[in-house]
Amino acid sequence: DTGVSQNPRHKITKRGQNVTFRCDPISEHNRLYWYRQTLGQGPEFLTYFQNEAQLEKSRLLSDRFSAERPKGSFSTLEIQRTEQGDSAMYLCASSKDIDYEQYFGPGTRLTVT
Amino acid sequence: QKEVEQNSGPLSVPEGAIASLNCTYSDRGSQSFFWYRQYSGKSPELIMFIYSNGDKEDGRFTAQLNKASQYVSLLIRDSQPSDSATYLCAVSKAFSGSARQLTFGSGTQLTVLP
Repeated sequence: DTGVSQNPRHKITKRGQNVTFRCDPISEHNRLYWYRQTLGQGPEFLTYFQNEAQLEKSRLLSDRFSAERPKGSFSTLEIQRTEQGDSAMYLCASSKDIDYEQYFGPGTRLTVT
Repeated sequence: QKEVEQNSGPLSVPEGAIASLNCTYSDRGSQSFFWYRQYSGKSPELIMFIYSNGDKEDGRFTAQLNKASQYVSLLIRDSQPSDSATYLCAVSKAFSGSARQLTFGSGTQLTVLP
């Protein structure tokens, strides 16, 4: 059990550029979550996958955000036309089907200049 | 009113003392309750979860849940400087498809003084 991994760990981009982050969940965890965390706040839910199906999306997830989980393994989160307000830590978490505890990856810190 | 509220702190306790962290939540549909520890610049680390009213102990940590009062707390006994971190309270409730998404408070910053 190697834990949840995320890449890249840091990303600096210019406003208007597209970025993509990757999350590899704990093996055999079929539930995968994306959260966003800004300084001084707790993580905020963005979206959720059960296997390859995206079952929940937050109102925070504007149409510039898209997430996929092909084949029910790793997931990607893409932000198009980045804005300075997108600067945050993007966290991925996974959990087993019958357990509720979510385990977080190290996060990807995005800075939009 | 925020869904999950915590005192932001900072909370300072001397080494060896008991640290008490509190959390209230607004949605009576909340079913599961979690405490995460987050060191500066790191991701949240799960330390306790509790589903039923009462106390749950795990080593130096005790989680307490009172659903009638919509209150959950975390006690850290024999506090160590390494416990200095931000503690996040999170709750989940079942939505369609049982997403179990977590709703977090803003966290309480704890400092344990040597």
